[in-house]
Amino acid sequence: GAGVSQSPSNKVTEKGKDVELRCDPISGHTALYWYRQSLGQGLEFLIYFQGNSAPDKSGLPSDRFSAERTGGSVSTLTIQRTQQEDSAVYLCASSPLLGGQETQYFGPGTRLLVL
Amino acid sequence: AQSVTQPDIHITVSEGASLELRCNYSYGATPYLFWYVQSPGQGLQLLLKYFSGDTLVQGIKGFEAEFKRSQSSFNLRKPSVHWSDAAEYFCAVGTNTGNQFYFGTGTSLTVIP
Repeated sequence: GAGVSQSPSNKVTEKGKDVELRCDPISGHTALYWYRQSLGQGLEFLIYFQGNSAPDKSGLPSDRFSAERTGGSVSTLTIQRTQQEDSAVYLCASSPLLGGQETQYFGPGTRLLVL
Repeated sequence: AQSVTQPDIHITVSEGASLELRCNYSYGATPYLFWYVQSPGQGLQLLLKYFSGDTLVQGIKGFEAEFKRSQSSFNLRKPSVHWSDAAEYFCAVGTNTGNQFYFGTGTSLTVIP
């Protein structure tokens, strides 16, 4: 079946502009995660969603970052007033259920470059 | 706080040689342990995972890993590396007290002919 998809695959933007990154999880997966992967760094947790429950936003680095998940499926990560330090690969992952024992299925990522 | 350490940033091995990638974690209880592989331009793919029971787990592509509680380690091994194994490898920890995962900084593997 289809895996996790993300769009766009690459995004170049100017400092100060807003960007939206999209994630389509695997159908039926209730949990959805966003991570940021910077050069030479591991995956930095940003936010997760579980069904219709309130998301865990504890990893969002600033109030310029926000995310929503509509209808329990597609998710959008929005970065407002982008800064050069926001340049990174943004990865989305989904899993059938929420929990530390669950396997995560990752999308190919969106590579964001802020000039 | 939970953390994951992958001491080797980059490893180079010859094709056909054995491989061991190190992973150490910090967590007070028994963790859920994962190894993921990331090929260039791709997302992460699960290689194997440990929850409980037999401490030696087998994964895809001929990889295995051993959980050693006394050393807080979960090292990844492969007896004979193939050129297609060149990729970035991430160790990750999940816990039973929360829903977040903690990833190491990754080990980049280069395979030379």
